Amino acid sequence: EVQLVESGGGLGKPGGSLRLSCAASGFTFSTYSMNWVRQAPGKGLEWVSSISSSGSYIYYADSVKGRFTISRDNAKNSLYLQMNSLRAEDTAVYYCATGVRGVISWFDPWGQGTLVTVSS
Amino acid sequence: EIVLTQSPGTLSLSPGERVTLSCRASQSVSSSYLAWYQQKPGQAPRLLIYGASSRATGIPDRFSGSGSGTDFTLTISRLEPEDFAVYYCQQYVRSPLTFGGGTKVEIK
Repeated sequence: EVQLVESGGGLGKPGGSLRLSCAASGFTFSTYSMNWVRQAPGKGLEWVSSISSSGSYIYYADSVKGRFTISRDNAKNSLYLQMNSLRAEDTAVYYCATGVRGVISWFDPWGQGTLVTVSS
Repeated sequence: EIVLTQSPGTLSLSPGERVTLSCRASQSVSSSYLAWYQQKPGQAPRLLIYGASSRATGIPDRFSGSGSGTDFTLTISRLEPEDFAVYYCQQYVRSPLTFGGGTKVEIK
């Protein structure tokens, strides 16, 4: 069974840092691009970042560029999102999702999400 | 950036009805690189349609997608109780990947 399990969410302070992780199982992780998508409370979906299967190609939304860093460890079947210089507007549920078609793709499946709250 | 506009924002319908959801793009979505997702409260989104009209694995055939260029449609032929949810479209032509604002299908 394909499974994505996010962790690392919680309360972060403005200007602070958090690191999210996504553990993948049930598929050949190293052959798929991976993504982070977030959803602010009561709002719609916002793409955050994508990374190719090898890690060679990386894309970010303008809203997080320069503050967030996506990475992956194919040996550990894991995806990460290092979040620095946190802002209140980063408060959201963060989902990891598999890219099916390549680094620019639709998403399937999705993890259950991890909540990040940025507040002093 | 390709902006996706979904309409209407909310639909109030009864089980058994047919529903048509719209997703309009600010630029042409080449090769019909458009997907649809369903999201229920407290759950992650679930892929319904990719390539504008291809159903994802396990998706019932009452769900269908159509369209090209800038105008796309998701149709549910006959609403089941489990279909009341929020629906999002997403383009994957190029970065930044973008989603529409969503359409909520609620019980009338």
